[in-house]
Amino acid sequence: EIVLTQSPTTMAASPGEKITITCSASSSISSNYLHWYQQKPGFSPKLLIYRTSNLASGVPARFSGSGSGTSYSLTIGTMEAEDVATYYCQQGSSIPRTFGSGTKLEIK
Amino acid sequence: EVQLQQSGPELVKPGASVKMSCKASGYTFTDYYMKWVKQSHGKSLEWIGDINPNNGGTSYNQKFKGKATLTVDKSSSTAYMQLNSLTSEDSAVYYCARGERTDAMDYWGQGTSVTVSS
Repeated sequence: EIVLTQSPTTMAASPGEKITITCSASSSISSNYLHWYQQKPGFSPKLLIYRTSNLASGVPARFSGSGSGTSYSLTIGTMEAEDVATYYCQQGSSIPRTFGSGTKLEIK
Repeated sequence: EVQLQQSGPELVKPGASVKMSCKASGYTFTDYYMKWVKQSHGKSLEWIGDINPNNGGTSYNQKFKGKATLTVDKSSSTAYMQLNSLTSEDSAVYYCARGERTDAMDYWGQGTSVTVSS
């Protein structure tokens, strides 16, 4: 099973601040199989970025993704209040599909 | 507009079974896999398995084999998940989500809450 380790577990950012969340895989993953989701409290997860770096429909351009092999990251260019949420990475490379443990992002 | 409408909350007794539904609309049901994900309270997400609505072929997380059974009814564009021999560990919100086999889950249902309690 591929374990995805996210860092940090929680963080607080000021409006306008640049945010980076990392996702480290226990085995190498093709970049085609690494995705990111955003989950706001009380809501279902929402696809944010697919295949490492592709923005899902309707996702603001301040979000971006990058990475390869075992190291991936999600960046928010400028933090906004509406970005308060928990972010999860997910791999579709092997079964079982797995998710990271999540990064809870709060606003200062 | 793609929508996945899940059935309502369930309160079930330990040892019982529950079957929940996920009705798809706004796209061709057989063009995408249906995936099921568990989220225990305050916890991360766990992939339970997925089903190919075209042929009923399934893949399961080993952890949920024997616990979950995935089926579909193409005539009503509805996916189902049955959970057996429920314990308190099965209390969670269960989501259905659409996606290609290895690709991202691009649309999610609103979730079905299952509470196992006597």
